[in-house]
Amino acid sequence: GENVEQHPSTLSVQEGDSAVIKCTYSDSASNYFPWYKQELGKRPQLIIDIRSNVGEKKDQRIAVTLNKTAKHFSLHITETQPEDSAVYFCAVETDSGNTPLVFGKGTRLSVIA
Amino acid sequence: KAGVTQTPRYLIKTRGQQVTLSCSPISGHRSVSWYQQTPGQGLQFLFEYFSETQRNKGNFPGRFSGRQFSNSRSEMNVSTLELGDSALYLCASSLGTSATETQYFGPGTRLLVL
Repeated sequence: GENVEQHPSTLSVQEGDSAVIKCTYSDSASNYFPWYKQELGKRPQLIIDIRSNVGEKKDQRIAVTLNKTAKHFSLHITETQPEDSAVYFCAVETDSGNTPLVFGKGTRLSVIA
Repeated sequence: KAGVTQTPRYLIKTRGQQVTLSCSPISGHRSVSWYQQTPGQGLQFLFEYFSETQRNKGNFPGRFSGRQFSNSRSEMNVSTLELGDSALYLCASSLGTSATETQYFGPGTRLLVL
């Protein structure tokens, strides 16, 4: 089955700096890659997603890049703010909807003011 | 639209007991997925229901079961509770199957097994 590795597990950045979180996956047939943000004590919320026919997607300070050849995708957060502090999860979907999302183990991002 | 709701929000049980958790999806959503979240393990998939049928099942023992009703509400049951079942149980709903539609998570049920 699909295997998703997420790195780093923890990340501390100064306010205003950029943060990058990377996920690698094993199944070349994977075609949907969402990112979720989970603040302390709250539910995971989708922040951005990308499909395999697109190499990059941007939404204000957040962007996701996908390298299908290397089988990895990354979340980029620019101009980080304290409210970006949370746990971020990547996920991968394979097999055109016949298998569930597989999540990475999460990255705890701390933005230091 | 109201979001995904889960009841109860917190639960304390003892080993050997059984528990039933409930999830009400967003109105109109037909798919409900369940996840177990523990520190360091991320979200581990339990099962997915779509139109009252189980579509997928994760790698959990048979003590974990679920069902979905005609109104798309879903329940999951854990029998013979073990200490290791202590976790946050999240459900997520989507319009269609989880792979093609965005999943919206509920607030979770935090289960503590003593």
